[in-house]
Amino acid sequence: GENVEQHPSTLSVQEGDSAVIKCTYSDSASNYFPWYKQELGKRPQLIIDIRSNVGEKKDQRIAVTLNKTAKHFSLHITETQPEDSAVYFCAASSYNTDKLIFGTGTRLQVFP
Amino acid sequence: EAQVTQNPRYLITVTGKKLTVTCSQNMNHEYMSWYRQDPGLGLRQIYYSMNVEVTDKGDVPEGYKVSRKEKRNFPLILESPSPNQTSLYFCASSLLGSASYEQYFGPGTRLTVT
Repeated sequence: GENVEQHPSTLSVQEGDSAVIKCTYSDSASNYFPWYKQELGKRPQLIIDIRSNVGEKKDQRIAVTLNKTAKHFSLHITETQPEDSAVYFCAASSYNTDKLIFGTGTRLQVFP
Repeated sequence: EAQVTQNPRYLITVTGKKLTVTCSQNMNHEYMSWYRQDPGLGLRQIYYSMNVEVTDKGDVPEGYKVSRKEKRNFPLILESPSPNQTSLYFCASSLLGSASYEQYFGPGTRLTVT
């Protein structure tokens, strides 16, 4: 079945450094790729998403890139801050199933 | 205030005792979904509904039932809970009848089955 793999599972960076989280998906019909941030004890919240007709999208310090050929997409956070510390989930959905498949999550820790 | 609500927020129950977790949204969203979150496994979709009276299985539907009789409500039913259903459960909704839009999550329900 459909699968989304996410790496790394944990990531520690110094404040001000960049962080990159990578995901690969298996269903070639996938056309929507959101990223969610979950702070400790809170619900997941969308931070950025990208559709298959776009290669890159930016929103201030965060960006997502998509490589459809390789079935790979990545989240880039620049100038990290302690408040970026959270668990980040990638996900993928396709137009022919309407399921949303999540990766297993990356715990990002930003040290001051 | 636009929101997704879930009740109860915490529940401890025993094996085999039927339970229902309610989910309600006030945003007139068409798509609603249930997920369970377990350490190391991320969020896994249990069931989803693209509109009233339309439901479909996600990745882990075994042991769960759902219904969508009204647009705003999407209850999750565990007919005979077992300890492997101990988990954190999230309900979510999105505007259109598709998974390809922002999901708005409820606050979560932490279920323990002993």
